[in-house]
Amino acid sequence: AQRVTQPEKLLSVFKGAPVELKCNYSYSGSPELFWYVQYSRQRLQLLLRHISRESIKGFTADLNKGETSFHLKKPFAQEEDSAMYYCALRRETSGSRLTFGEGTQLTVNP
Amino acid sequence: EPEVTQTPSHQVTQMGQEVILRCVPISNHLYFYWYRQILGQKVEFLVSFYNNEISEKSEIFDDQFSVERPDGSNFTLKIRSTKLEDSAMYFCASSRSNQAFHGYTFGSGTRLTVV
Repeated sequence: AQRVTQPEKLLSVFKGAPVELKCNYSYSGSPELFWYVQYSRQRLQLLLRHISRESIKGFTADLNKGETSFHLKKPFAQEEDSAMYYCALRRETSGSRLTFGEGTQLTVNP
Repeated sequence: EPEVTQTPSHQVTQMGQEVILRCVPISNHLYFYWYRQILGQKVEFLVSFYNNEISEKSEIFDDQFSVERPDGSNFTLKIRSTKLEDSAMYFCASSRSNQAFHGYTFGSGTRLTVV
């Protein structure tokens, strides 16, 4: 069975500082990895997917199969980045479920 | 941008009562999902639905739960006899395909409180 671990429940940084939200997974196949963000009182929104190799709102994430990690990074955090961030995994089989991590609450202080 | 719409936003029900949570997925999406999040816990998968049938369900999705797409636009989750532990935020999601680059679009959720 697949599993996603986000070791930090809370993360607090100052504006302009680099930020890294950790995500590790366990799955024997080829997973699809995602980062979702949930701003206060709003819906879950897709932030990044590993296959796109994109940068959204300055965030990037690289899939490291050797370390089974998909850490989310941003070089200069902004106050508006304060939110709940969830790492999620989907198996390569079609239409299958998302398995979420526990989430990391990021607070960016002025 | 198209949205997944969920109603109601809040529902309070007495233990043992039936509840129906409603969702309107994005119109050209073909895959539909329900997830739930108990307060303070992670988001958990309940069920996926494709081509008018359940394609996958979790161990949480027992006989008390059912899903339906009654009219081609709505996608409902029914809990037959609610328990206190069913209190949670329930999220509906839809996806155009099973390809990763399409991702999922989530609704804003229904907060269910069982008293």
